[in-house]
Amino acid sequence: GQNIDQPTEMTATEGAIVQINCTYQTSGFNGLFWYQQHAGEAPTFLSYNVLDGLEEKGRFSSFLSRSKGYSYLLLKELQMKDSASYLCAVRDKNSNYQLIWGAGTKLIIKP
Amino acid sequence: EPEVTQTPSHQVTQMGQEVILRCVPISNHLYFYWYRQILGQKVEFLVSFYNNEISEKSEIFDDQFSVERPDGSNFTLKIRSTKLEDSAMYFCASSAGRGAAEQYFGPGTRLTVT
Repeated sequence: GQNIDQPTEMTATEGAIVQINCTYQTSGFNGLFWYQQHAGEAPTFLSYNVLDGLEEKGRFSSFLSRSKGYSYLLLKELQMKDSASYLCAVRDKNSNYQLIWGAGTKLIIKP
Repeated sequence: EPEVTQTPSHQVTQMGQEVILRCVPISNHLYFYWYRQILGQKVEFLVSFYNNEISEKSEIFDDQFSVERPDGSNFTLKIRSTKLEDSAMYFCASSAGRGAAEQYFGPGTRLTVT
C-alpha cells in the first residue's frame, strides 16, 4: 500500500535550523515534493526530489534516499513567517502519477 | 506571475443541493487537478484531468462528483447532492506536465454544507 509519515508538530527558535523528516512507502515512486501551507491558504511548492541527494534552494534544502524511503526538509535561518505546515507528497507512477500526501508537519517558530 | 484562480472563495449550501466550484488554471498548463482538505486533515486527491478526460480519480470521487472543462479556460467541479461531510476546502491545481512538473494550487474554495 501507500503510506507517508511525518511528525505532527515541531517547534523551533527564530534564527535556528530545523529538519522535518518524511518516510514513505509506495510501489511506484516517481518523485517527492515538499509544499508549505499557511493556515487557511493553499499549498505552495518548495522542492522536488527524484534522485538521491540534496537539493538546495536558498534557506530551504531537501534530501532524498530512495533506498530508505526517506526524505527531509531542512530550513535554515528560521524566520517567524516560516511558521506553517510542511507537507510531504509522493508521486506514484502506478496510480497515474497521482500525488499521495502526508498529513503535514506543523512548524511553530518561537522568538 | 501566472496563477490559478478559483471562485467563489466561500460557498455555503444546504444539504442535498448542487454546487459548482470553478477554477481557471494557468493558461499553458495541460494537466488539471482537484483536491480536498477537510479542516485539520491532510490534502486528499480527488481527480486529475488531461486532454478533456479524467485520467485518474480517487475513491472519494464517486458518482456525486463530476468535472468539466466547458471552454478553453475554466475547469469545474460539480457536486450533485451535497452532504454534510463534503464540507471542506477544495483546491484546484494545474501543471505543465505530468512527470516532474510542479503543481500550482489555486487559493481554494471553502465549501460549507449545512
